[in-house]
Amino acid sequence: AQSVTQLGSHVSVSEGALVLLRCNYSSSVPPYLFWYVQYPNQGLQLLLKYTSAATLVKGINGFEAEFKKSETSFHLTKPSAHMSDAAEYFCAVNFGNEKLTFGTGTRLTIIP
Amino acid sequence: DGGITQSPKYLFRKEGQNVTLSCEQNLNHDAMYWYRQDPGQGLRLIYYSQIVNDFQKGDIAEGYSVSREKKESFPLTVTSAQKNPTAFYLCASSSESGGIQPQHFGDGTRLSIL
Repeated sequence: AQSVTQLGSHVSVSEGALVLLRCNYSSSVPPYLFWYVQYPNQGLQLLLKYTSAATLVKGINGFEAEFKKSETSFHLTKPSAHMSDAAEYFCAVNFGNEKLTFGTGTRLTIIP
Repeated sequence: DGGITQSPKYLFRKEGQNVTLSCEQNLNHDAMYWYRQDPGQGLRLIYYSQIVNDFQKGDIAEGYSVSREKKESFPLTVTSAQKNPTAFYLCASSSESGGIQPQHFGDGTRLSIL
């Protein structure tokens, strides 16, 4: 079955440290991949998307993600965490149909 | 600015009552979606519509109903048959369903039981 897995429902990093949020998917065909961010009591905002043009995708707010077909992964990274990065992050996948499948989310906490 | 407007921001439902959540978009998008968000469960698809006057059930449609009479509007009714309606509801739209086009989200409606 096609699925999306986000490892770690909660991640804490110190301000200035590397942020790494993990996303794996299960599919025999490379899908379209997205990362969204959600701040409290708000909707989701698109951070970046993978559309097969390049395996390393740069997004807003200094985030980037690398598509690794062999590992069926699309992990999100940011070299240096900022307090404003505290939010919930969702990986979403389109498996070639009309719907998006979302991971269960990772809540990112930044330690001052 | 173009975007998606959801109203109200907070809504309370009494037992046996139907309530309707509004979603309006001025992005000229064909596809619209309704999601339910519960803590630790991510987003679950309730209904979606790819074109006016047509819609399909998502993964958790029971106890909900929708209509799509206009391109810009996709209201969601939470009926009395939905026994656990307390959740955060998100509406989204995209220029096409599926594929590389991302979904754009409103700011949500938080529904609670009185």
